[in-house]
Amino acid sequence: DVKVTQSSRYLVKRTGEKVFLECVQDMDHENMFWYRQDPGLGLRLIYFSYDVKMKEKGDIPEGYSVSREKKERFSLILESASTNQTSMYLCASTPPIRGVEQYFGPGTRLTVT
Amino acid sequence: AQSVTQPDIHITVSEGASLELRCNYSYGATPYLFWYVQSPGQGLQLLLKYFSGDTLVQGIKGFEAEFKRSQSSFNLRKPSVHWSDAAEYFCAVGAQSGGSYIPTFGRGTSLIVHP
Repeated sequence: DVKVTQSSRYLVKRTGEKVFLECVQDMDHENMFWYRQDPGLGLRLIYFSYDVKMKEKGDIPEGYSVSREKKERFSLILESASTNQTSMYLCASTPPIRGVEQYFGPGTRLTVT
Repeated sequence: AQSVTQPDIHITVSEGASLELRCNYSYGATPYLFWYVQSPGQGLQLLLKYFSGDTLVQGIKGFEAEFKRSQSSFNLRKPSVHWSDAAEYFCAVGAQSGGSYIPTFGRGTSLIVHP
């Protein structure tokens, strides 16, 4: 069965801390994505990666960076967390094939105080 | 650039009633269209998708959607709603970006089901 896992379901961090969100997929997918989800705003793409060590900015990359050292793992990094980064973060993966859907992890609800 | 509009933020229906969730998209070529469902505290799960062929597509949990090119719509329907269908529903359109296919999501419609 297809699986995307995220390292934490809930996370509470302080302003200014460096935060790592980890995502692992077991489907050998080339493409991986990080979204943030806020009420009324839907899913907004932060970064995506189409191969190891490759990354592209999404719609809202400011304040975030990513790392993809292995195909199965895609990390989202908040260099200095701020309260406006309190949100639900969703990871997804997909093969680079036309018409194929994304597979999502369960999400990490991050609170920055 | 592609875009997706879900005009209804919330929809309330009674259990057993029929349901239609609206989705309109903007995309210059033939779109790849998806509906996902998100139960509280969970990630998104695919309900159904369209990328060619029959414009009426069947999905899981008794859902179906109809692609209407002339109206740029991909509305989701279910003939009889169950209380367990209460969730957030997202429509998405997939478009090519370089060598990858990047979906754009609508803002979501929250479905409330009354007993």
